[in-house]
Order: sequence, then structure tokens, then C-alpha cells
Amino acid sequence: QKEVEQNSGPLSVPEGAIASLNCTYSDRGSQSFFWYRQYSGKSPELIMFIYSNGDKEDGRFTAQLNKASQYVSLLIRDSQPSDSATYLCAVKWGNTPLVFGKGTRLSVIA
Amino acid sequence: ETGVTQSPTHLIKTRGQQVTLRCSSQSGHNTVSWYQQALGQGPQFIFQYYREEENGRGNFPPRFSGLQFPNYSSELNVNALELDDSALYLCASSFLRGQDTEAFFGQGTRLTVV
Repeated sequence: QKEVEQNSGPLSVPEGAIASLNCTYSDRGSQSFFWYRQYSGKSPELIMFIYSNGDKEDGRFTAQLNKASQYVSLLIRDSQPSDSATYLCAVKWGNTPLVFGKGTRLSVIA
Repeated sequence: ETGVTQSPTHLIKTRGQQVTLRCSSQSGHNTVSWYQQALGQGPQFIFQYYREEENGRGNFPPRFSGLQFPNYSSELNVNALELDDSALYLCASSFLRGQDTEAFFGQGTRLTVV
């Protein structure tokens, strides 16, 4: 059974701080990892994907992958109130469909 | 904008009725996946279509069925609606090329069963 776990939150951070969102997953093997942002009542929006161990940066976002420890994280630097949303972690094993966590709700306080 | 469009955006149906949801995939994409997202949960995989054939299915009963058309648009049909079918239904479009495949979602259809 392939599972993806996330802390549901809410995670509250002050404006300008770094928000750190974590995700763990079961079942080692060939995987790819995706972070989606979902505003209330809207559909998920792809922020980043990462396939290899290490860090991947895109603007204020950094994805970090550690396959040995089976976790992937998303860092948001200089957090803004507009970053307040639910962040979904999704994992793909080979050609399987995306398996999502339940999401972490982030609240950035102005 | 992802280029993935779903219709309708909102729908109210009565228990026992049937519903058809539609999705137009992003240009150049050959794969459509459907997900159900209940309130406070992550999206759950229903099924996936690749080149007009179902090539993966999640833990959903047979009353959930689908189609993919030659232009890669897709339909999700749900028969004998139950109250628990109330959810946000998401269509995701992608180009299947192994594991390195980014999926982009449409805006979703909010289905309410009363």
C-alpha cells in the first residue's frame, strides 16, 4: 500500500519568515515528487516537482528530497499572506497515478 | 491557466440520479486522470485514460465509469449517486512519458448530492 503522509496543520508563520512543509511516504523504489498549492474552493496548482535527491530551487520555493529517509519537504522563503493555502504533496511510483497526502494548511500572518 | 477545462463548475443532483462530468485536456497531452476530493482530504485517484483506453483504476465501484475521446477530452460518469459522492471532482491532464510526468488540473466540478 503506497501512502503519503502530511501534517494537516494549520502551520502558522509570520510574514517574511520561512515556511517548512514536510511529507513522508511509504514504499521505496523509483519515485517522483510533486508539490501542489490549493486555495480554498479551488483546484490544485503545480508548484514544483523533484526527481533526484537534494535541493531544487524555483524562486522563493525550494524542494528538498531525501530518498534514504523517505521524506520530501517544501520551503517557502519570505512567506507572504498570499501563500496561505493548503499544500499537497504527491508521489508517483513509476507509471502509477499520483498518490496525494491530505495536505498541510499554511497560514501566513501579516 | 493550465489549459485544462472542466464543465460544469457546480452541480446539484438527487440521490439515485446519474451525472456526467466533462474535461478538455491541455493541448499536446494524451493522458487524463480523474480524482475525487472530499472536504479536508487529498485527491483520491478514480481512473486514468491513455489513448482512449482505461489504463489504471483506483478503489472506486463500477458505477464510476469514464471515456476518453480521440481529441483526448474525457468524461466521468457516475450512476446511482449516493450522498457520499458529494465532492470536488478533478481532471488532470498530462503527457505520459514514464514517471517524469507533470499533471495539471482543471478548475474542478463541485458535485453536491442531496
